[in-house]
Amino acid sequence: EAQVTQNPRYLITVTGKKLTVTCSQNMNHEYMSWYRQDPGLGLRQIYYSMNVEVTDKGDVPEGYKVSRKEKRNFPLILESPSPNQTSLYFCASTVGAEQYFGPGTRLTVT
Amino acid sequence: GENVEQHPSTLSVQEGDSAVIKCTYSDSASNYFPWYKQELGKRPQLIIDIRSNVGEKKDQRIAVTLNKTAKHFSLHITETQPEDSAVYFCAASIHGGYQKVTFGTGTKLQVIP
Repeated sequence: EAQVTQNPRYLITVTGKKLTVTCSQNMNHEYMSWYRQDPGLGLRQIYYSMNVEVTDKGDVPEGYKVSRKEKRNFPLILESPSPNQTSLYFCASTVGAEQYFGPGTRLTVT
Repeated sequence: GENVEQHPSTLSVQEGDSAVIKCTYSDSASNYFPWYKQELGKRPQLIIDIRSNVGEKKDQRIAVTLNKTAKHFSLHITETQPEDSAVYFCAASIHGGYQKVTFGTGTKLQVIP
């Protein structure tokens, strides 16, 4: 079964405490992406990756880092989270231009 | 960069009526336009997409039309059912859906039984 998984699903943290949200896909897709979803703003792309070691900025990359050391994993790193990064985060994996989204990670930064 | 505007932000229709959601985009180089449905508490899922070499595409009760000259595309849902209630997002991409993808802000559709 095609799957995109994210962990954790829910996270409450404090300002400045580094965190990583993991994303994994079992479909051998080359292209993966991270989005944040905020009320009234829709889905905004943070970073995307076209293959191992190939990443690029989306529309809202500030305050985030990513890495793509292996094809199946694409973690999102917040080095110093701030309250304005409180959001719902989705990882997506793409084949044939169709994006398969993960279940989402709800992050709260206090 | 690309900018996608989506209207309306909310839409209520009676069951059985049609619903239309409209999006405009700014970059004439965009060539791939997907539509996603997101039910409450769930992940977005692709429901239909269209490429710039096609003017219209249908899949049962849903259809998408594209006007490249005017740079707008629309989602049409006919014979709406309560299970169509969800948030719908349009999106545009220059690279056929790979690399950068810009989403609209979403339309909350409510189908009243």
